[in-house]
Formats: sequence, structure tokens, C-alpha cells
Amino acid sequence: KAGVTQTPRYLIKTRGQQVTLSCSPISGHRSVSWYQQTPGQGLQFLFEYFSETQRNKGNFPGRFSGRQFSNSRSEMNVSTLELGDSALYLCASSLERGGTEAFFGQGTRLTVV
Amino acid sequence: LAKTTQPISMDSYEGQEVNITCSHNNIATNDYITWYQQFPSQGPRFIIQGYKTKVTNEVASLFIPADRKSSTLSLPRVSLSDTAVYYCLVGDIGGGTSYGKLTFGQGTILTVHP
Repeated sequence: KAGVTQTPRYLIKTRGQQVTLSCSPISGHRSVSWYQQTPGQGLQFLFEYFSETQRNKGNFPGRFSGRQFSNSRSEMNVSTLELGDSALYLCASSLERGGTEAFFGQGTRLTVV
Repeated sequence: LAKTTQPISMDSYEGQEVNITCSHNNIATNDYITWYQQFPSQGPRFIIQGYKTKVTNEVASLFIPADRKSSTLSLPRVSLSDTAVYYCLVGDIGGGTSYGKLTFGQGTILTVHP
């Protein structure tokens, strides 16, 4: 079956703009989590959605937001982009909440200039 | 959440067995130990998970001593394609504040040489 699909794969934005990233989980998976990966900070948890509700949130400013649709697809939005938001954004899906076997997508490489 | 400590980097040669040890002194009773592998510009990939003793699958083995304060990922007969970053994670599989959240440490950069 198809894996986790993230779109777009690459994105270049200007400071101050906003961006929306998309994640389609594995069919049947209901939990979707988002992570930011940078060389300096490593992999950091952004938030997790389950049944269209945000269930867990990491330590990121309110400029980072997300949502989940009834088909479990998820989007994350970053407003007022800063240079430091340049990163690889990864989405992971799990069958249920709490199971630590998560399946990651290939990520969206965001560059803010 | 239990903090993990792994070597920053390791080197090996093709065909050798590689053992990567992770320390997690504050592991809680409900915590499982999970290892992920990540190649550059790709998402992490689940390798193996265990609670105690030994777990083996088609790609790796995981050894967990009785006190569970450490664990060792064993990769048999590595090849060049095993060059990657390996992460040890400790978390509550069933609930708690780690619910739905994976906490990654710095990981171990494994380099396999010809």
C-alpha cells in the first residue's frame, strides 16, 4: 500500500510569507504527527492530530498551526515566515495514538530567503 | 520523558557486525525502546522495538538488560547502504504525555566503509 505522501517536496518562500504543507497518511492510519528537522536542533515534535483534533503540541510559536480533515489528511501552516523556519518538515502517520511505530514521509524541504 | 544518550558517531566496515548502545537511565515502567534509521533528506524509518530481553527481526536485533537502563541495537553484516543516522527513542506506547509524540535525541551517525 502507498506510504505517507507529503507535498510539495521542495518550497522556497520569502520572509514574511505564509506556507501550507500537506500530508496524506497511510490508508487507515488515524494519527498524524508533524516534525521539524534542522541541523542545529535535530528532529523536533510540532504537533499531533487524531480524529481531526490536535491532541499534543510541541514547543513552537503560534505561527505554526495545523489541521486534520475527516479523511485523516493533514496540513500544517506557518505564517510570517522567518529565516529560521528553513527546515525539513516531516509528517508521520500511525494506525492509532500512542503506538510508537510511526511511518514517515519523505518530507518537505522549506527554504526561507 | 526518559532522556537517551548515544555515541555521536561510529565507523565500521562492510560485513562486520555493528552494535550501537543507548543509555536511558530514567526509563519508566511503561516505556518501550524503539530504534529508527534515517538517510539524508528522508524521513526516519522504524527498525525495531522492544520492552525487555531480546527482540529480533529481519534487519536487526535489540538487546535490553534486566534493569532496562540501556539497550543495544545490533546490525549483522552491515553494508554500505547501512550508512545512516540511528536514533534510540524511549517512550510510553500506551499513553501519558508522550502520547502521539516521538522524542528524538541526536542519534548516532554510522558510517560503513568498503
